[in-house]
Amino acid sequence: DGGITQSPKYLFRKEGQNVTLSCEQNLNHDAMYWYRQDPGQGLRLIYYSQIVNDFQKGDIAEGYSVSREKKESFPLTVTSAQKNPTAFYLCASSTGTDNEQFFGPGTRLTVL
Amino acid sequence: GQNIDQPTEMTATEGAIVQINCTYQTSGFNGLFWYQQHAGEAPTFLSYNVLDGLEEKGRFSSFLSRSKGYSYLLLKELQMKDSASYLCAVEAAGNKLTFGGGTRVLVKP
Repeated sequence: DGGITQSPKYLFRKEGQNVTLSCEQNLNHDAMYWYRQDPGQGLRLIYYSQIVNDFQKGDIAEGYSVSREKKESFPLTVTSAQKNPTAFYLCASSTGTDNEQFFGPGTRLTVL
Repeated sequence: GQNIDQPTEMTATEGAIVQINCTYQTSGFNGLFWYQQHAGEAPTFLSYNVLDGLEEKGRFSSFLSRSKGYSYLLLKELQMKDSASYLCAVEAAGNKLTFGGGTRVLVKP
């Protein structure tokens, strides 16, 4: 079955620790995206990548970092510089322009 | 910059019709998406409008007016399972989406 996987579904970390969220897709999509969603709000774009070895900052990139070494994988690191990291993180992928984005199941990160 | 507005919450009765409006002011526009999101789950694609007019897909229809910066999602014959948040998203260059805050629809029996 083709799709996008994110793991784990729930993640707890202590304040001041970096944490990496995984996102893998086997849809052969070129573009991948990371969004953050806070309770009762819409999605905000953190980073996106249109092709392997290239990525751009979204609207709220501060305190986050990404890499895109393989087409299938787009991990997101939430660093200790992110002031309010507790949120629901969604990864998505698409074939490119003018096409729908397919979302993974999300990772709910709680920083204690 | 991008600004996308949609109502925060709407309530409707099972079997009725609900219209969710979305207005946008954006620096670029390739198209407009509507997604459905149940609580705690990932958004799922409902519709994509590029040209002005109405796109119908079963019980769901979506309308776009580019000159007015306006779209709506129409849900007909509401079912309890339609209780969810509905997200309007504008696509700019590079398939980059900007989402509105979402409209939570509550369907009552």
